[in-house]
This record gives sequence, structure tokens and C-alpha cells, in this order.
Amino acid sequence: SQTIHQWPATLVQPVGSPLSLECTVEGTSNPNLYWYRQAAGRGLQLLFYSVGIGQISSEVPQNLSASRPQDRQFILSSKKLLLSDSGFYLCAWTLAGAVYEQYFGPGTRLTVT
Amino acid sequence: AQSVTQLGSHVSVSEGALVLLRCNYSSSVPPYLFWYVQYPNQGLQLLLKYTSAATLVKGINGFEAEFKKSETSFHLTKPSAHMSDAAEYFCAVSDQGPGGSYIPTFGRGTSLIVHP
Repeated sequence: SQTIHQWPATLVQPVGSPLSLECTVEGTSNPNLYWYRQAAGRGLQLLFYSVGIGQISSEVPQNLSASRPQDRQFILSSKKLLLSDSGFYLCAWTLAGAVYEQYFGPGTRLTVT
Repeated sequence: AQSVTQLGSHVSVSEGALVLLRCNYSSSVPPYLFWYVQYPNQGLQLLLKYTSAATLVKGINGFEAEFKKSETSFHLTKPSAHMSDAAEYFCAVSDQGPGGSYIPTFGRGTSLIVHP
């Protein structure tokens, strides 16, 4: 069966510090991968998606970036965090090639102080 | 372009009462529709999905949703609410984009509150 991991679960970082969040998927190959952010009391904001290694599409211009160094690994990064980067970050995957449901990771709670 | 509207950011019901969460969509092609549930500090889980088969879709935990093309709606219902149903519910619509991508559009979510 497939599983998706995210770490860390919680993170408190000062403004201006770097960020690296990691997401890995097990039990499937060539998934589509997604990064979302949820601000408090708000819906899901799609940040990045990827249909293959090294292929990243950005939905929202900001100080975040994403990379996919391996087929089932998706990394969200920032060189300098802003207070507005605080939120709940979710990674998700879906099978490629058709419209399938998404499977979400447990999330990372990021607080920028 | 596709879009999703969830009417009511909060819905409050008594335990045992009918649950009705509303979702209206717009899509230029026959849509795929989904309902997800999110418990506090967790990721989203799929409740049910519509993929152009039966218009009445049954999901987990006693939830079901009916696709009504004429009303462009996909409302979520449950006959009798349980305390454990208290969560955030998201409706999503999707069709396939270029290059095999799949970019769903989510509604803003409805928080279901269940009173004892």
C-alpha cells in the first residue's frame, strides 16, 4: 500500500531563517506531487506541483521554492522566511495520467516568529 | 476555468440531526468531484468521489453526495450526525490539465460543528 510522509511535524523558525520541508511517498511510481499551504481559518492554497523529476510548476509567486530530486521526494524550501509564511503545509500525491483523488500527508505546522 | 463554492463557512447541527453541506461548481467540461474531510492538525482524507458513473455516490462514515448537473451541485449529506463528524470539509473539482497534470480546485471549506 502507498504511504506519504512529511517531516518535521512542527517547526518554529525566526524571520529570515531558511526552511526545508520534506515529503516522501512510498509504494507507487511517478506520482504527481503537490505542496499546499493552509493559513489559519482559510482554505488550501496550491503552492507547487510536479509531474516528474526536476519538473516544478509554481502557482503562486513568493519566496518559496520546490524541488523534486527523486521520483518520490518533494522538497519545499525558502532562503529567508517571512512572518506571512506561517501556516500548515501539506504535501499530496496522486496517480499520474488521469484524474484521481489526492492523498495527503499529515502536514507540517510552521510558525515564523 | 473551474471553481467551487461552498455555502456557509460554518454549519452547526445537533447530534443525530441531518447533515447537509453545500457545494456548487463550475467547469467547462464534465467534472470530477470530490469531498475531503480534515480533522484538526491532520491532512485531508477522501470521503467520496464522483467520476461520471452513478449520480448518487456513497462514501465512508455514512456520508453520501448527489451530483446534479442541472444545478451544478454536489452537496454532501449524512442522515444522522455523530460527535466524531466534527471536522472541516472540503469540496473539490478537477479535470485533467496539460502534460498529465491534475490541478484540483478546492472550495474554502465548511467547518461542521456537532452539538450534543
